[in-house]
Amino acid sequence: QVQLVQSGAEVRKPGASVKVSCKASGYTFTGYTITWVRQAPGQGLEWVGRVSTYNGNRDYAQKLQDRVTMTTDTSTGTAYMELRRLRSDDTAVYYCARPLDGQNHLLLGYWGQGTLVTVSS
Amino acid sequence: DIVMTQSPDSLAVSLGERATINCKSSQSVLYSSTNKSFLAWFQQKPGQPPKLLIYRASTRESGVPGRFSGSGSGTDFDLTISSLQAEDVAIYYCQQYYSSPLTFGGGTKVEIK
Repeated sequence: QVQLVQSGAEVRKPGASVKVSCKASGYTFTGYTITWVRQAPGQGLEWVGRVSTYNGNRDYAQKLQDRVTMTTDTSTGTAYMELRRLRSDDTAVYYCARPLDGQNHLLLGYWGQGTLVTVSS
Repeated sequence: DIVMTQSPDSLAVSLGERATINCKSSQSVLYSSTNKSFLAWFQQKPGQPPKLLIYRASTRESGVPGRFSGSGSGTDFDLTISSLQAEDVAIYYCQQYYSSPLTFGGGTKVEIK
């Protein structure tokens, strides 16, 4: 079955960087994009961006595009999201997600368990 | 960007009663070639990731109980829980996947009255 397993919680100081991983299993990794969504404490869902696992093409949220980098390692079936120059308002649970099927790569059908990133001095 | 607006922000319904949530998009999410709206509904319980309930505005995801239904087209959509159960207490989000960036509604918290 499809599984997305994310790395554990992280605590960083303002200005630092964090890299969250998302290991996929149960399907052909290069067949589906990986999308990242974040959720600040008690708040709604915010799209961070997505990366093609096939050719590495990326599409980032405009407000984050100068600080975020999404990559993939096809040899291990793992996607990564790195966020630099962290600020307190980056504190959130970060989710990776996969499309439901091959018909629409924007329809998110499978989600990781989430990774809490806390930015605090 | 397409702005998604949900109402109400919260909703308290008696067990067995109907709950209806509305979602409006700032522009149409209807894909003309298929006549399907690219609108999804998610359910999120505390400490869990969102769970896909409905896509293409009215198609239930596999395993989702029949009491959940979606309706609407273009820019105006509803999610209905026909007979609220205790396990349906959650926050519900609509989301358009018509175009990037993906955008979500602000969420509706459903509770038991």
